[in-house]
Amino acid sequence: QQQVKQSPQSLIVQKGGISIINCAYENTAFDYFPWYQQFPGKGPALLIAIRPDVSEKKEGRFTISFNKSAKQFSLHIMDSQPGDSATYFCAASMGGGFKTIFGAGTRLFVKA
Amino acid sequence: GAVVSQHPSWVICKSGTSVKIECRSLDFQATTMFWYRQFPKQSLMLMATSNEGSKATYEQGVEKDKFLINHASLTLSTLTVTSAHPEDSSFYICSATTGGGGNQPQHFGDGTRLSIL
Repeated sequence: QQQVKQSPQSLIVQKGGISIINCAYENTAFDYFPWYQQFPGKGPALLIAIRPDVSEKKEGRFTISFNKSAKQFSLHIMDSQPGDSATYFCAASMGGGFKTIFGAGTRLFVKA
Repeated sequence: GAVVSQHPSWVICKSGTSVKIECRSLDFQATTMFWYRQFPKQSLMLMATSNEGSKATYEQGVEKDKFLINHASLTLSTLTVTSAHPEDSSFYICSATTGGGGNQPQHFGDGTRLSIL
């Protein structure tokens, strides 16, 4: 019930295309859903985050779509660039000192 | 803003040595800090959660006597791997948050690659 399931495991997209990564959760008490981007040999960096009171959040080329009834959320990267090639982790957490649950990660490769 | 510095970035040492890794929040006060371990091509595995001035909370299966965590101030937490062995070789990452550790963003350090010979 505490898992966050992330798919696909890996993704290859042409430059300029749209990258889509999906995540699903079970625990309806989660109230914070961040996405992190990690480059090889570096720590994850917060990319964008959403709370369940909104269905979509956009920051530049990155958009989170959130479907509360389906308990799913996704990351869309518009106009994907080779520099976006990294591993992306979705996550879910809640208040009260609860730990953050991370998805398994998606390795994105954007072909030039 | 929200910069977390982790040091050292890479350490190689002999089996049996103890290794200390520092995690500092440079421009904010970190109420809670987390320590993760990451294996190649895998997700982040939470090892422990530490709050300033109190004992760390370890995840199931993590040996607290092996991985000593000290959160001495609102800007510094340390992880000491005691009597390290080759199986402790891994990528260790810390993160910090200003909130209670729940629905607040975590800010990560750049990790420490530990290699035990």
